[in-house]
Amino acid sequence: LAKTTQPISMDSYEGQEVNITCSHNNIATNDYITWYQQFPSQGPRFIIQGYKTKVTNEVASLFIPADRKSSTLSLPRVSLSDTAVYYCLVGVPWGGYNKLIFGAGTRLAVHP
Amino acid sequence: DAGVIQSPRHEVTEMGQEVTLRCKPISGHDYLFWYRQTMMRGLELLIYFNNNVPIDDSGMPEDRFSAKMPNASFSTLKIQPSEPRDSAVYFCASTSTGDGYGYTFGSGTRLTVV
Repeated sequence: LAKTTQPISMDSYEGQEVNITCSHNNIATNDYITWYQQFPSQGPRFIIQGYKTKVTNEVASLFIPADRKSSTLSLPRVSLSDTAVYYCLVGVPWGGYNKLIFGAGTRLAVHP
Repeated sequence: DAGVIQSPRHEVTEMGQEVTLRCKPISGHDYLFWYRQTMMRGLELLIYFNNNVPIDDSGMPEDRFSAKMPNASFSTLKIQPSEPRDSAVYFCASTSTGDGYGYTFGSGTRLTVV
């Protein structure tokens, strides 16, 4: 599984757009990029997954450049309830080797 | 679906006692995972099952830990004997082959060993 590097923590204010960048220089051809969100006292929750270019859903957008060595999770107009830890993971989600290894994640604090 | 169901939510036990954590995965999911989370070590994968068969238990810390999945709707993680350093939040997650990394996690069991 490719190693990922992301900031330990970030601060933002309500209504702002937040971009969290993750580096994965050793990403393999078949690897996908997956982001999870974890609120205090809850289990992680799947947010978004992509392979290349841009993916958008009702929660976030994921931007992946052509070389795929990094990715950016974009949260539009954050609110206090977006305060959480965000994990970036890289790997092949299908097939016989199917397990997620979590890193330290990015602790996002949204302020009023 | 009620999601992944874990019990109990909280467990306080004395050192040396046996502890059993329980998990009911989402119906139809063929993968089940047990994770442990602490402030110091973050989220650690302990073991995972595919179609009720243990696939990788390399994350199980020592022989005091054991996990079983007797059928597709139930799994247990047992610690015997428990030690204070086992105090953590234990999460169970499940997914199906077609969902890839779209795991669904339970709410966790907060274990305190005193």
